[in-house]
Amino acid sequence: KQEVTQIPAALSVPEGENLVLNCSFTDSAIYNLQWFRQDPGKGLTSLLLIQSSQREQTSGRLNASLDKSSGRSTLYIAASQPGDSATYLCAVSSGGGADGLTFGKGTHLIIQP
Amino acid sequence: SAVISQKPSRDICQRGTSLTIQCQVDSQVTMMFWYRQQPGQSLTLIATANQGSEATYESGFVIDKFPISRPNLTFSTLTVSNMSPEDSSIYLCSVGIAYEQYFGPGTRLTVT
Repeated sequence: KQEVTQIPAALSVPEGENLVLNCSFTDSAIYNLQWFRQDPGKGLTSLLLIQSSQREQTSGRLNASLDKSSGRSTLYIAASQPGDSATYLCAVSSGGGADGLTFGKGTHLIIQP
Repeated sequence: SAVISQKPSRDICQRGTSLTIQCQVDSQVTMMFWYRQQPGQSLTLIATANQGSEATYESGFVIDKFPISRPNLTFSTLTVSNMSPEDSSIYLCSVGIAYEQYFGPGTRLTVT
């Protein structure tokens, strides 16, 4: 059974810092990996999708990497801003669009102004 | 991408009653999914709902407790039956498009 772990569980940093969120998964036979953002009272916003054949994806200040063989992914946030404060969730898919996702518990991020 | 709406956004229900949650998508999709997020926990997949077939439930979830309907390619409902306080959670629907999943805003359920 696939298990996804995210470290750290919570993180508080001053505005402007670069930071790294970590995600690990136990079964390397994944189809893709998604990073989401969850804001209180709102649903999930998809940030980045990395296919199993890819090593990284970038969107603005966000960069996600994937090392499928070692079962790890990182989300890099550059020049953090207070608006980045949210819970970040990592999720893996084993069957592409046909299967649901297995989620980690998330990293609760606070960016101090 | 897709725009997904859910109704109700939140509800407070009494023990032993049932609640039906609606999920509406702005485009036709084959795969729809229902998740539960218990307080302080991660999202857990309840079931996969394809139009025209019975929903497929994950281990630990049964149709009698969480019946699902999928009458067409843009709509689905999840019913939480015979509720107990342990059912207090956020329930989210999602759709799969081009290998990516998009989520609705969720329904926050509190059972007293």
